[in-house]
Amino acid sequence: GDSVTQTEGQVALSEEDFLTIHCNYSASGYPTLFWYVQYPGEGPQLLFRASRDKEKGSSRGFEATYDKGTTSFHLRKASVQESDSAVYYCALSDQGGSAKLIFGEGTKLTVSS
Amino acid sequence: GPKVLQIPSHQIIDMGQMVTLNCDPVSNHLYFYWYKQILGQQMEFLVNFYNGKVMEKSKLFKDQFSVERPDGSYFTLKIQPTALEDSAVYFCASSSRREVFFGKGTRLTVV
Repeated sequence: GDSVTQTEGQVALSEEDFLTIHCNYSASGYPTLFWYVQYPGEGPQLLFRASRDKEKGSSRGFEATYDKGTTSFHLRKASVQESDSAVYYCALSDQGGSAKLIFGEGTKLTVSS
Repeated sequence: GPKVLQIPSHQIIDMGQMVTLNCDPVSNHLYFYWYKQILGQQMEFLVNFYNGKVMEKSKLFKDQFSVERPDGSYFTLKIQPTALEDSAVYFCASSSRREVFFGKGTRLTVV
């Protein structure tokens, strides 16, 4: 079945560092890809999505580009802030907004000042 | 933004008893979901629901689980009977096909 793999389980950075969280997916069709952020005590919140090859999603300084060739959707941010500390989930859906989301394992980002 | 409300936020229940988790979805949404997250692990899809029917369920959605949304009220997840391995945070979500919104979760502890 479809799956999502996030390489980093935990990332620790200092403010203004560059962030990369790797996400690779496996899907039989042409999925929609998502990045979600989850703060303690909250449900996941959508950061952004991308539906087509080479489409870039972005929000709050975070960005990722849909790459069908490498089946990847890596999350990047040029300069992280302490307030970015959270768990980040890459996810896919094979039917846009109406079907189930398949989540990666999550990456816990800790940013220190 | 739109809010999905989950009641209660935390529930402790004896193994073998029945529990009902309640979700108040975003008002104009038509698709509803339950996800399960064991502490420190990834979110896993349980079931989705549309037009009064289960559309798809995962193998985590055991026979002891059921969902319903009677008369457009709460969307509920019922577990009867509960087992120790049902201890987790259960997230409700709703969508209008464009974006999925999640509640804050109900932490279920089965003792």
